[in-house]
Amino acid sequence: QKEVEQNSGPLSVPEGAIASLNCTYSDRVSQSFFWYRQYSGKSPELIMSIYSNGDKEDGRFTAQLNKASQYVSLLIRDSQPSDSATYLCAVRSSGGSNYKLTFGKGTLLTVNP
Amino acid sequence: KAGVTQTPRYLIKTRGQQVTLSCSPISGHRSVSWYQQTPGQGLQFLFEYFSETQRNKGNFPGRFSGRQFSNSRSEMNVSTLELGDSALYLCASSLEAVNEKLFFGSGTQLSVL
Repeated sequence: QKEVEQNSGPLSVPEGAIASLNCTYSDRVSQSFFWYRQYSGKSPELIMSIYSNGDKEDGRFTAQLNKASQYVSLLIRDSQPSDSATYLCAVRSSGGSNYKLTFGKGTLLTVNP
Repeated sequence: KAGVTQTPRYLIKTRGQQVTLSCSPISGHRSVSWYQQTPGQGLQFLFEYFSETQRNKGNFPGRFSGRQFSNSRSEMNVSTLELGDSALYLCASSLEAVNEKLFFGSGTQLSVL
């Protein structure tokens, strides 16, 4: 069973701080990694994707991937109350016909004004 | 461009009944995936269709089935409903043959009494 693990939280940070969200995965040959944001009562929306080791920045968001450690993280700089949501890590396993994404259970982030 | 449309938005059924949920993907998207979301289990993969063919299936009983039509619209059916089937059912579409960047619909909230 291929697993994606996240701390459920809640993770609480003050406005303006850096929020750090972490995710580990069990399938060593996973190829694609994603972060989705889900506001309460809404559906998930894709905010970041990363495919190779290192950092990828998009505005206030930075995704970090370390395949050797099977670890992917999301940093949110200058956190805003509007960032309060559940963040879902998703991993696509290796090739063949296995195209499904496996999601973690999500980390609830609360940004306090 | 219209997003992923799911109908109905809410459903209330009783045990033993069956239900059909509908999903219209974003225009041009040929891959449709279905997920079940519950507070305890998070997002769990049900199945994925591409060009009317089921390419992947999650670990759900045979009571859960689906299909995709030539216009990429998809339906999901659950027969002999159980209380534990109460959940948010999310449909997601993606453009590429490799099901990665998912765009989710608003979901169908199913309550089984």
